[in-house]
Amino acid sequence: AQKVTQAQTEISVVEKEDVTLDCVYETRDTTYYLFWYKQPPSGELVFLIRRNSFDEQNEISGRYSWNFQKSTSSFNFTITASQVVDSAVYFCALSAWTVVFGPGTRLSVLP
Amino acid sequence: DAGVIQSPRHEVTEMGQEVTLRCKPISGHNSLFWYRQTMMRGLELLIYFNNNVPIDDSGMPEDRFSAKMPNASFSTLKIQPSEPRDSAVYFCASSPRQNRDTIYFGEGSWLTVV
Repeated sequence: AQKVTQAQTEISVVEKEDVTLDCVYETRDTTYYLFWYKQPPSGELVFLIRRNSFDEQNEISGRYSWNFQKSTSSFNFTITASQVVDSAVYFCALSAWTVVFGPGTRLSVLP
Repeated sequence: DAGVIQSPRHEVTEMGQEVTLRCKPISGHNSLFWYRQTMMRGLELLIYFNNNVPIDDSGMPEDRFSAKMPNASFSTLKIQPSEPRDSAVYFCASSPRQNRDTIYFGEGSWLTVV
């Protein structure tokens, strides 16, 4: 069975704060991929990052960084110095046999 | 390169009517997915195709829903007859390979059944 849990339903931060979005996954497959997508208020789903199960190296892209820890089955996403434009729903997803999305975390960045 | 193209973007229809949603995947992509998004259930995978063949349709809610992919550049999701509980955003997505590859989403079709 595959499952993705995003325990944080909603998070509010003030602009320039750092924020971490949690993602915990379950799968029996040894080969799988993990993703993060952003859904801004306009509704489209925007791909942010893909990680395969053999690559635990953390990744940084501008203000975004991702921490993949196989030992805890987690793939957390941190936004540094958040901005109002980061306000969106963020989805974590797992792809092994099929693709499963977590329930999403709604991030509100207040000015 | 054009992204995944969906039509219509918005549709309002009366209960009992047939609804057809259309999708053109990214050229060269071999896998196509239909998702439904609602507040209550989040993003649900309805069906996915690989090389135009349906691989997993276990997410299709009931017999009122059907999906086809007659060729590599076109797919439809049909609801007949539609019901108010079908109101949702329906996303089509494609990826270069089956599973384990990045899925690129269309902008969604916002369906309201009254």
